[in-house]
Amino acid sequence: GNSVTQMEGPVTLSEEAFLTINCTYTATGYPSLFWYVQYPGEGLQLLLKATKADDKGSNKGFEATYRKETTSFHLEKGSVQVSDSAVYFCALSDLAGGFKTIFGAGTRLFVKA
Amino acid sequence: GAVVSQHPSWVICKSGTSVKIECRSLDFQATTMFWYRQFPKQSLMLMATSNEGSKATYEQGVEKDKFLINHASLTLSTLTVTSAHPEDSSFYICSLLNSRTDYGYTFGSGTRLTVV
Repeated sequence: GNSVTQMEGPVTLSEEAFLTINCTYTATGYPSLFWYVQYPGEGLQLLLKATKADDKGSNKGFEATYRKETTSFHLEKGSVQVSDSAVYFCALSDLAGGFKTIFGAGTRLFVKA
Repeated sequence: GAVVSQHPSWVICKSGTSVKIECRSLDFQATTMFWYRQFPKQSLMLMATSNEGSKATYEQGVEKDKFLINHASLTLSTLTVTSAHPEDSSFYICSLLNSRTDYGYTFGSGTRLTVV
């Protein structure tokens, strides 16, 4: 079955540091890949997505590239801010899985001023 | 993109009572909606897939009689937690499948249920 594995947190960084959150997946079909962000006490918001190999999703300074050869979709940001503190979820969905979204465990990010 | 409204955003209820959570698609006709549950500091777990006009499909281990799902129209799905107990306290989130955006999902803002 489909699955998503992402690095455990929490990740603690200083402001303006470089961020990488690793995400790898297992899928039987050709999934779409997503990163969602959840701020404290709120629901999930779509951060970025990629629908096919070599696509790069980007939003608010965050980027992730769909790497089929390594089955990865790592999230990166060149310079984090305190306001980026949140929980980040890597996820996939595909037709073979009935369009169900499979989430990673989530990675909590703390950014210190 | 589609906008999803989830209500209430938080609720406190007594043990043994039932709570209804609504999930509305404000600008998109959603034939399929999904209900998730999230325990503190954990990921989202899919509870069920809600299909308009038919019975919901529940994931393994989710009690159908405990978590009643109704998807009577293309814009509304409801989740009713029946005879709630403290262990049902959780964060419940709905989402809808938006086929117009490469099968991306739009999520509601979530409902925090506390059973006392």
